[in-house]
Amino acid sequence: AQSVTQLDSHVSVSEGTPVLLRCNYSSSYSPSLFWYVQHPNKGLQLLLKYTSAATLVKGINGFEAEFKKSETSFHLTKPSAHMSDAAEYFCVVSDRRGNNRLAFGKGNQVVVIP
Amino acid sequence: GAGVSQTPSNKVTEKGKYVELRCDPISGHTALYWYRQSLGQGPEFLIYFQGTGAADDSGLPNDRFFAVRPEGSVSTLKIQRTERGDSAVYLCASRQEGGPTNEQFFGPGTRLTVL
Repeated sequence: AQSVTQLDSHVSVSEGTPVLLRCNYSSSYSPSLFWYVQHPNKGLQLLLKYTSAATLVKGINGFEAEFKKSETSFHLTKPSAHMSDAAEYFCVVSDRRGNNRLAFGKGNQVVVIP
Repeated sequence: GAGVSQTPSNKVTEKGKYVELRCDPISGHTALYWYRQSLGQGPEFLIYFQGTGAADDSGLPNDRFFAVRPEGSVSTLKIQRTERGDSAVYLCASRQEGGPTNEQFFGPGTRLTVL
């Protein structure tokens, strides 16, 4: 079985300061890992994905994440938060050997303080 | 091109009623998934279609839930005898099997409210 743990359901950051969202995963097989963002009343949007290529993955809007197999982690970072980054962020794991069903974490609700 | 679409965007029904939720995947995507997102939670897997057949329905919570995809394109999620606990946002996603990545593209969801 595969699963994802996201701590800190609510995260507050000041505009212009770094963002760090932690994600640890559990997977029986070589996983694919994703971060999705969900703005209020909007659909899920893919931020970035890891599929066994480079371990440092760059995504949209200045976000990036690093896959660390030894730590089973896939933390999401951004050097400088913008007001438009206020949203809910989900870390997601997929088993590429199976049907690619996605297992979502509980999410991080990010608030950006002006 | 057009993304995944879902109708209706909102559905309010009474306890005990029957509802159908529709998903139009991206044209050419053979894999289709349904997820359910309850308030304050991440989406949870319900069912996966490969073409016309349900390849994995292990996420359906009980036998009141059923989904079809008769022609391998549009899918309908059907809920019988709705209960208040069924209230959630129901998300559909599609994926191109054999493509360069295994990315799933999500629709905007249908918000179901059972009174």
